[in-house]
Amino acid sequence: KQEVTQIPAALSVPEGENLVLNCSFTDSAIYNLQWFRQDPGKGLTSLLLIQSSQREQTSGRLNASLDKSSGRSTLYIAASQPGDSATYLCAVKKAQGGNMLTFGGGTRLMVKP
Amino acid sequence: DTEVTQTPKHLVMGMTNKKSLKCEQHMGHRAMYWYKQKAKKPPELMFVYSYEKLSINESVPSRFSPECPNSSLLNLHLHALQPEDSALYLCASSQDLDHEEQFFGPGTRLTVL
Repeated sequence: KQEVTQIPAALSVPEGENLVLNCSFTDSAIYNLQWFRQDPGKGLTSLLLIQSSQREQTSGRLNASLDKSSGRSTLYIAASQPGDSATYLCAVKKAQGGNMLTFGGGTRLMVKP
Repeated sequence: DTEVTQTPKHLVMGMTNKKSLKCEQHMGHRAMYWYKQKAKKPPELMFVYSYEKLSINESVPSRFSPECPNSSLLNLHLHALQPEDSALYLCASSQDLDHEEQFFGPGTRLTVL
C-alpha cells in the first residue's frame, strides 16, 4: 500500500526566505505526483503536476522536483510572501488502476511579514 | 468555465435529517470524485464516477449515497449521519480516469449535531 509522508508538518519562516517542502512515497510505481495548496477551510488548488518521466516542473516562484527511484519530491518556494501561508499537500497517482490519488499529511506553512 | 462549484458552502444537520450536497462542473470532464477531509488531515477518497457510472466505492457507509444524474452533476445524499461524519466534503473532476490532473471544488463544511 502506497504511503505518502510530508516533512515538516509545520513550518514558520520570515518573509523573503527561500524554502523547501519535502514529500516521500513508499512505492515508486507512480504515474505522476501533484502538489496542491489549501487555504484554511477551503478546497485544493493544483500548483504543479510532474509526470513520472519528468524531473521537475516550474511555475513562477515554485519549482517541484521528482526523484522517482528514491521516492522523493520537493517543492521549492522562492522569495516567500505572507500570501504563501497555507497548507501544501502532495499526492501521488499510482501507475495502474484508475485516477486514485494518495495524499500526504501536508505541511502547514506560515510566512511572517 | 474552468472551475468546480459546490453547494452549499456550509451545512448543519441533525442525525435524523436527510440532506444533499451538490457538485457541478462544465469543463466536459467525465470523471468526478467525492473526498472527505477531517480537520488537519489529508483528503480521503470516498467515491469515483466515470461516465456517470460508479467506478470506485471506498467502503463508505450506506448513509452516504452518491448520485451522478448527468456528466456535469454529482450529488451526495446524506441520511442518518453521525457526529463523526462532520468534515469538509470535497468534490473533484478530471477529464477521465486516465487523465492526470484533478480539479477540486471549494468544499462543503458539514456539521452533524
